Amino acid sequence: EAGVAQSPRYKIIEKRQSVAFWCNPISGHATLYWYQQILGQGPKLLIQFQNNGVVDDSQLPKDRFSAERLKGVDSTLKIQPAKLEDSAVYLCASSFSRNTEAFFGQGTRLTVV
Amino acid sequence: GIQVEQSPPDLILQEGANSTLRCNFSDSVNNLQWFHQNPWGQLINLFYIPSGTKQNGRLSATTVATERYSLLYISSSQTTDSGVYFCAALRSNDYKLSFGAGTTVTVRA
Repeated sequence: EAGVAQSPRYKIIEKRQSVAFWCNPISGHATLYWYQQILGQGPKLLIQFQNNGVVDDSQLPKDRFSAERLKGVDSTLKIQPAKLEDSAVYLCASSFSRNTEAFFGQGTRLTVV
Repeated sequence: GIQVEQSPPDLILQEGANSTLRCNFSDSVNNLQWFHQNPWGQLINLFYIPSGTKQNGRLSATTVATERYSLLYISSSQTTDSGVYFCAALRSNDYKLSFGAGTTVTVRA
């Protein structure tokens, strides 16, 4: 069974530029999460989807971050414009339902210079 | 979301030693997971353990949901056990999976 796929693996951008990350969850998984992990910290939930609907985005900085999950499968997370403090690893995870085991992708390491 | 606290923050072990990592959570949970983050940053699933005890090789975990804590045991540690261990708890009323700050384990040969 294929795992959660993310791309790109690494990205370096200048501040005020925009960037997008892509996630393909495990087939059949209805719940999809995006997390931000700053160096030395635990992952922080940014947004959670159930199929193609948002169930929680309370910690998403909506002035610069946006996410969508069209057709309830793939998802993209966008940052525009990026700030230096956005440098982090962005992790995507999926689970069969909201109350089952979550599996993570390899993450995208973003560096904003 | 739920508050998740892990202890100790850092642990240095000699190869072959045993250790216990602790995870406390602030509310009732439907889901408790333990992960190992490898040097490349990927979170590897260790245990899905909302309650009870599970074992997988040299690792085992116990969750006592009524007392709001979980323990991860590493026996006969090896250098490959080094890395950061995270627990994550999912509270039933909001379904948010919240992580602790992690325990950094260093196993020396």
